[in-house]
Amino acid sequence: DTAVSQTPKYLVTQMGNDKSIKCEQNLGHDTMYWYKQDSKKFLKIMFSYNNKELIINETVPNRFSPKSPDKAHLNLHINSLELGDSAVYFCASSQVFTGEQYFGPGTRLTVT
Amino acid sequence: AQSVSQHNHHVILSEAASLELGCNYSYGGTVNLFWYVQYPGQHLQLLLKYFSGDPLVKGIKGFEAEFIKSKFSFNLRKPSVQWSDTAEYFCAVNAGNQGGKLIFGQGTELSVKP
Repeated sequence: DTAVSQTPKYLVTQMGNDKSIKCEQNLGHDTMYWYKQDSKKFLKIMFSYNNKELIINETVPNRFSPKSPDKAHLNLHINSLELGDSAVYFCASSQVFTGEQYFGPGTRLTVT
Repeated sequence: AQSVSQHNHHVILSEAASLELGCNYSYGGTVNLFWYVQYPGQHLQLLLKYFSGDPLVKGIKGFEAEFIKSKFSFNLRKPSVQWSDTAEYFCAVNAGNQGGKLIFGQGTELSVKP
């Protein structure tokens, strides 16, 4: 069973479009995260949620809106996509607030 | 601001060579330290972690790391690398009051030649 899953794995879209990435974890964890990995492989946290409540919002443009319908799911919606949004987006989860996190396979977003 | 610095961008080794990847962080308070590994085409996996206690921690696949508080360092080591260790290695820090936020280093690409 996949612990943290993301869909889609690849996403190619044009500038200005709106897209969503879905994440689900079956580990029973309370906390979920979104990270962005740029072309140089640098990873930076974007958001974290604990039991559906937003905990961390790291100066991310408000075109990015996370949504957590329940503690097992954390989706990322991106409005008005820009070229600079091209990256790999990783979802992760952990038991409460800990750096011991389980990562999903990533979603490679390409904006053309 | 907290930051994590990894000394090497790309390391190339032959099989059976010893490995040491440097990691330094800047944060004055209590931290938890991690090394994550990303094999080609795969997701990040936890290699090892340090929370407290013995500063020499052992992880999976024969890796170990040593926390030296006075040097703000958490270097990763392996006595003898294998071709299958080819991957990207990330050092990461989590400060105790930061809600699980991981701050990553730039990553070190390790290439092991058979």
